Amino acid sequence: QQPVQSPQAVILREGEDAVINCSSSKALYSVHWYRQKHGEAPVFLMILLKGGEQKGHEKISASFNEKKQQSSLYLTASQLSYSGTYFCGTEGPHGQNFVFGPGTRLSVLP
Amino acid sequence: DTAVSQTPKYLVTQMGNDKSIKCEQNLGHDTMYWYKQDSKKFLKIMFSYNNKELIINETVPNRFSPKSPDKAHLNLHINSLELGDSAVYFCASSQGLAGNTGELFFGEGSRLTVL
Repeated sequence: QQPVQSPQAVILREGEDAVINCSSSKALYSVHWYRQKHGEAPVFLMILLKGGEQKGHEKISASFNEKKQQSSLYLTASQLSYSGTYFCGTEGPHGQNFVFGPGTRLSVLP
Repeated sequence: DTAVSQTPKYLVTQMGNDKSIKCEQNLGHDTMYWYKQDSKKFLKIMFSYNNKELIINETVPNRFSPKSPDKAHLNLHINSLELGDSAVYFCASSQGLAGNTGELFFGEGSRLTVL
């Protein structure tokens, strides 16, 4: 079952922060985050495997709340290069049924 | 050296034609996938092969037929193309199954336009 992402789209000015949420109605084993720039392929950002785990990638970090079946991606002091569509991917307890969310379009303006 | 490469990058064809897209990965991964991304940007899994064996076959018309001659190659053949087949098709690979610590490496995509 496809996870839900919110917001669908967000527009920021350079230097502003953003949060993208990903939630599922089913128990999650892991959450993946990918970014796809316009006209390019999706690129892996990070995986969160355990409940409560937080990971970071430059000024992009994420948390995973297993109980609430959700994950949040935090973009701090956004840069123009952060623009793109962010996808979360989730899977069930045995590594099966990996599915992407519908994506969140992020636009960072100068 | 491109890790996952697809050819062709662009395909423009008439309804009813048959076309193929080829994919090769040089990462030594044992799992390969085809994803379809429509105009709304949804990324939908179509097929997955693990060591040349089909392991995921989503609800896809049987006009679509994947073929994996070896674990480094996964081709997609589409018969009797329809307007709704217009999309970007991404090939991807991972070590192990996607989601199970298996980071997906995507090819550049093949944009198919059916007229």
